[in-house]
Amino acid sequence: ETGVTQTPRHLVMGMTNKKSLKCEQHLGHNAMYWYKQSAKKPLELMFVYNFKEQTENNSVPSRFSPECPNSSHLFLHLHTLQPEDSALYLCASSPSTSGRGEQYFGPGTRLTVT
Amino acid sequence: AQRVTQPEKLLSVFKGAPVELKCNYSYSGSPELFWYVQYSRQRLQLLLRHISRESIKGFTADLNKGETSFHLKKPFAQEEDSAMYYCAPSLSGGYNKLIFGAGTRLAVHP
Repeated sequence: ETGVTQTPRHLVMGMTNKKSLKCEQHLGHNAMYWYKQSAKKPLELMFVYNFKEQTENNSVPSRFSPECPNSSHLFLHLHTLQPEDSALYLCASSPSTSGRGEQYFGPGTRLTVT
Repeated sequence: AQRVTQPEKLLSVFKGAPVELKCNYSYSGSPELFWYVQYSRQRLQLLLRHISRESIKGFTADLNKGETSFHLKKPFAQEEDSAMYYCAPSLSGGYNKLIFGAGTRLAVHP
């Protein structure tokens, strides 16, 4: 599959569960991102990785733990989430790490915390 | 603080009517500006960028530095244009970071 893929597409988890979201990009990009899209807020940038190194943590609670083992894969590990964390989590990648340019988005994981 | 504002949550027009989706930004530098679109049940995707000065699907956007605006325009709306539209400046300063506006839902009625 080409572009940016995300798995799972839907996830329901309890507040005591531990789960992980996966993102993979097949575009040869060197920067990857996690965003949160909820109904009542604008799209929120969570984390930025350039060449596997985290360069941005946008004051995200520690119950969200990102991992970037290589430039093509990005994970978001989830534990002890709250109901207000229910949202669409989007992954994106971009060819540029130090300049400006467009980002390519995955389809998202719809997360529901019960 | 850097900020982007899309004042309209919903813009409702009839097919064939002109459309203008507003975007205002406040940045100290010179951002690169994008419009992204999200059609129903599809992923967020780039519509156009200001440096290209291109027309995509009949849409154009002009950067007005004096008014710090980057409004998206189309002279004749089509039903298939119905979607969420996001204005997104990209910050300067050495790293790639987009700040998204709250989005405007465009509804084009037959």
